[in-house]
Parts: sequence; structure tokens; C-alpha cells
Amino acid sequence: AQSVTQLGSHVSVSEGALVLLRCNYSSSVPPYLFWYVQYPNQGLQLLLKYTSAATLVKGINGFEAEFKKSETSFHLTKPSAHMSDAAEYFCAVRGRDTGRRALTFGSGTRLQVQP
Amino acid sequence: KAGVTQTPRYLIKTRGQQVTLSCSPISGHRSVSWYQQTPGQGLQFLFEYFSETQRNKGNFPGRFSGRQFSNSRSEMNVSTLELGDSALYLCASSAGAGAAEKLFFGSGTQLSVL
Repeated sequence: AQSVTQLGSHVSVSEGALVLLRCNYSSSVPPYLFWYVQYPNQGLQLLLKYTSAATLVKGINGFEAEFKKSETSFHLTKPSAHMSDAAEYFCAVRGRDTGRRALTFGSGTRLQVQP
Repeated sequence: KAGVTQTPRYLIKTRGQQVTLSCSPISGHRSVSWYQQTPGQGLQFLFEYFSETQRNKGNFPGRFSGRQFSNSRSEMNVSTLELGDSALYLCASSAGAGAAEKLFFGSGTQLSVL
């Protein structure tokens, strides 16, 4: 079964600083990996996804993530944090087996951006 | 194009009652999934429907059920509500059935069981 672990339930950065949100996955074969963002009282919005086309994936709002098979990681980064980035971020994994299509989410990381 | 619409937005029920939540996917999308979000358990998969057929089911008791109609709209039902069923229920739709498909989420239905 696939799983993801997000290190750090809360991350606080200053506006303009680098954002780094960590995600490690567990899967027997490289899965599909996703990062979602959730703003208060809203649903989830896809930031980016990894489907094996390229290891460095660029997403919306200046976010990107790098798939590292050797480290089983898919960390999310953004060079310069903006106040509007404050939200909860979820890493998710989905197997390539069509019989196991459910997204398995990490526990989430709440990002706080200080002025 | 309108997004995923979930109704109602908020719901308050008492233990033992049943509830039905509705989800209208993005026009043209044929796959609908449901997720439960709680502070303690996080986001958990409930079930997925594609072209009116349940394709996957999560590890929830039989009190949780769902269905999809021919127009792709979906409903989920929870019978004999328990306090622990209080959660944000999220619906997501996608155009196809592939594993790499992008899911579009609605804003959810916040269910409170008293």
C-alpha cells in the first residue's frame, strides 16, 4: 500500500523567504504524486503533480517540486513566500494500478507567513 | 465553466439521523470521488464512481453509501449518524478514469452531528 509522510505539521517563514515543505512517500513502484493546497473554508486545489515525465515539476503560484527516487521524496518549494501562500498543504500519492485509484493524503502542513 | 458544487454547505444533525449530501461535478466530468476530512484522521477516501458504477471503496462502515446518476451528479448518504461522523465531506470530479487525472474539489459540506 502507498503512503506519504509530511514532516512538520506547522512551518513558519518570513515573507520573501524560501518555502520548503517536505513529503516522503512509500511505494513499491514510483507512484503518481500530487501537492494540494487548502485555504480556510475551501476545498483542495491542485498545485502540481508528478507523473514521471520530468523529475522537476513546476506548478501554479510559483511552486515547484522535485521527485527524488533515491530519497523517496517529493518536497515542495517556492523561492519567495508571499502572504497569500498561508494555507494548509497536502502531499498525496496514487498508485498506477487502476484498481487502486484513491488518493492517499499526508497529514498536512500548515504554512504560516510572517510579515 | 462552473466548478464542483456541493450542497448543502453546512448541515447540523443529531445522532441516529441520516443525511444525504449532494455533489454536482464539472460539466463533462464522469468520475466523482468522496473524501472525509477530520482534524484527527485527516483526509480519507470514501468511494469513487465512474459512469454510475462504484469503482473503489474506502475503509468505511456500511452506513456510508453513495450513488451516481446518469448526469454524473452524485450523492452520498450516511445512516444512523454518530458523533464521529462530524467532518468536512469533500467531493472531487475528474474528466476520466486514469490514475494521473487531475481532481477538482468542491468546497465541501461541513456536517456537525450533535
